Amino acid sequence: QKEVEQDPGPLSVPEGAIVSLNCTYSNSAFQYFMWYRQYSRKGPELLMYTYSSGNKEDGRFTAQVDKSSKYISLFIRDSQPSDSATYLCASFSDTGRRALTFGSGTRLQVQP
Amino acid sequence: EPEVTQTPSHQVTQMGQEVILRCVPISNHLYFYWYRQILGQKVEFLVSFYNNEISEKSEIFDDQFSVERPDGSNFTLKIRSTKLEDSAMYFCASRAGWGTEAFFGQGTRLTVV
Repeated sequence: QKEVEQDPGPLSVPEGAIVSLNCTYSNSAFQYFMWYRQYSRKGPELLMYTYSSGNKEDGRFTAQVDKSSKYISLFIRDSQPSDSATYLCASFSDTGRRALTFGSGTRLQVQP
Repeated sequence: EPEVTQTPSHQVTQMGQEVILRCVPISNHLYFYWYRQILGQKVEFLVSFYNNEISEKSEIFDDQFSVERPDGSNFTLKIRSTKLEDSAMYFCASRAGWGTEAFFGQGTRLTVV
């Protein structure tokens, strides 16, 4: 069983739409959750960082973590063509392996 | 804004040759990592380094790989005898503390021919 799973997409939306990106995870020890944006052949760029359950908002981005269902989400409001990229969720625990475990990424295309 | 820098951006090497990938982590960060991403696949953890020693490594990080922090600013990944399957993007990352955000460099694309 993969520790972090994402739908690979591609997810195609019109400009201005609200985008919902999701991950599930299996490791109950995961406490820290991140969303990264990755453009083609570039390094992951940190978008959101959350600890445990709850919501966090930063500009057009909102991250949600539901530890009871092991489900993490990223919402993008007023999506722009420049948001077209692959979105990676990642997590780590404070016990055992502390390195990030990544999902496989969801490719998002925002059509102008 | 502080950033993780990696050199070179692209390296082509012949199978069996040694390569060294270089990284300059963010100043005053204490935890350093190497990850790799084979084209079209997920980002995979290789090794973490703290207090001048390896703190974790994955199954991928076998005897062909080694890491070093030769001075106060550089962090290197050496692959002793490259194989075709080592072709990938290699990312360096650093963190101020173990529970804080990890910041990634732009990567080195390694092509083994």
